[in-house]
Amino acid sequence: DAKTTQPNSMESNEEEPVHLPCNHSTISGTDYIHWYRQLPSQGPEYVIHGLTSNVNNRMASLAIAEDRKSSTLILHRATLRDAAVYYCILRDVFSMSNDYKLSFGAGTTVTVRA
Amino acid sequence: EAQVTQNPRYLITVTGKKLTVTCSQNMNHEYMSWYRQDPGLGLRQIYYSMNVEVTDKGDVPEGYKVSRKEKRNFPLILESPSPNQTSLYFCASSLMAGTNQPQHFGDGTRLSIL
Repeated sequence: DAKTTQPNSMESNEEEPVHLPCNHSTISGTDYIHWYRQLPSQGPEYVIHGLTSNVNNRMASLAIAEDRKSSTLILHRATLRDAAVYYCILRDVFSMSNDYKLSFGAGTTVTVRA
Repeated sequence: EAQVTQNPRYLITVTGKKLTVTCSQNMNHEYMSWYRQDPGLGLRQIYYSMNVEVTDKGDVPEGYKVSRKEKRNFPLILESPSPNQTSLYFCASSLMAGTNQPQHFGDGTRLSIL
C-alpha cells in the first residue's frame, strides 16, 4: 500500500472543529483513502473512506483534494470522546493480496481540551 | 447491538499453559482476522479467515492456531504460550473480504505470559 504522512499530534478545544491532514503524494488511481481511529484501551474503529468525492457520515467528513495527493478528516464538533489516535491509510481496491490486513502508521494523536 | 466480542479482556498466565481467546461477531460477517499490537510495531496480522472452514496465515502465525467452524466464531489458540506472545490482541471482522470493506474490531485482549 502507498505511504501516507500525518502530523504526530494535534490539539483541539471541545465543541470546536478538528481538521486532520493526511498527505499521500504517491496515491494510485485505485487507492481508496480510509480513516480509522483508536481510543485509549479500545480496538481500532472505522471512521470513513472515499475515493475522489468528499464524503460525510455521522462521525466525520472526508475532504479529498482534487489531485488526490492529500485529504483532510474533519470532526465537526470535537468532544472528549474524540480524543484518540487517528490513522489515515490507503487501500488498493485491486490489491493482489488476499489477506486484506490493515497496517497503520504512527497516526495523529488528537487531544481535546475541555 | 452489532459488535465483535472478545474474551477474556485480560489474562495473566504462565509459559506452556494452553489458552484460547474467543472471538464472536453478530453481524453475519464472512471475513475475520486476528491481530496483535505491540509498541513500536503497530498492528500485525496473525491469521485470517475468508469464510467458514477457510483460514490462512498472516504475517506472524508462529505459535498460534485458529479455527472457523461457524461463521460467527473465530477463536485464537495458543497451544504452548511463551513470554514473547505477551501482547494486546484484537479480533476484527468485515462483511466480506475486500480492501474496501470496513473492519470492525473487538475491544482487545491483553495477554501476559510469565
